[in-house]
Amino acid sequence: KQEVTQIPAALSVPEGENLVLNCSFTDSAIYNLQWFRQDPGKGLTSLLLIQSSQREQTSGRLNASLDKSSGRSTLYIAASQPGDSATYLCAVILNDMRFGAGTRLTVKP
Amino acid sequence: EAQVTQNPRYLITVTGKKLTVTCSQNMNHEYMSWYRQDPGLGLRQIYYSMNVEVTDKGDVPEGYKVSRKEKRNFPLILESPSPNQTSLYFCASSLSGTGVSLPLHFGNGTRLTVT
Repeated sequence: KQEVTQIPAALSVPEGENLVLNCSFTDSAIYNLQWFRQDPGKGLTSLLLIQSSQREQTSGRLNASLDKSSGRSTLYIAASQPGDSATYLCAVILNDMRFGAGTRLTVKP
Repeated sequence: EAQVTQNPRYLITVTGKKLTVTCSQNMNHEYMSWYRQDPGLGLRQIYYSMNVEVTDKGDVPEGYKVSRKEKRNFPLILESPSPNQTSLYFCASSLSGTGVSLPLHFGNGTRLTVT
């Protein structure tokens, strides 16, 4: 059974810092991996999707990488801003979608 | 506007009183799914549907029912709610019926409290 782990559970950084969020999964036989953002009381917003044949995807200040062989993905956020404060979840997809518990990010002005 | 709409947003009920949480999408998506989100456990899938009249159990289906009579609607039914079903519930949909295709579109959630 696929297990998805996100470390750390919470992270607080000053504005302007570059940061990395980690996602690990136990079964490397995945179709793709997706990173989401969740604001308090809201649903999930898709950030980046990495197909299993890809190594990384970029959108603005966000860069997500995927290493299937090691069962790891990272989400890199450059020049963090207070508006980036949210919970970030990764999900791996094979025949269904399995989520990590998320990393709660706080960016302090 | 393309969206997944859940109702209600907040619901407080008592043990044993049947309730339904509605979910509707206007994107002609084949795949729909229900998740519950609990602190420290992330999102766990309750039920999913690949297409009309096709539903399957997810990881935590006990105590829940679903139906998919129309493509756009996928209600979640709690026949006899219990306090351990207090949670934040999300409905989601995606285009393809052959497994999960992305992006997955989420509703804004329903916060359910069972006393």
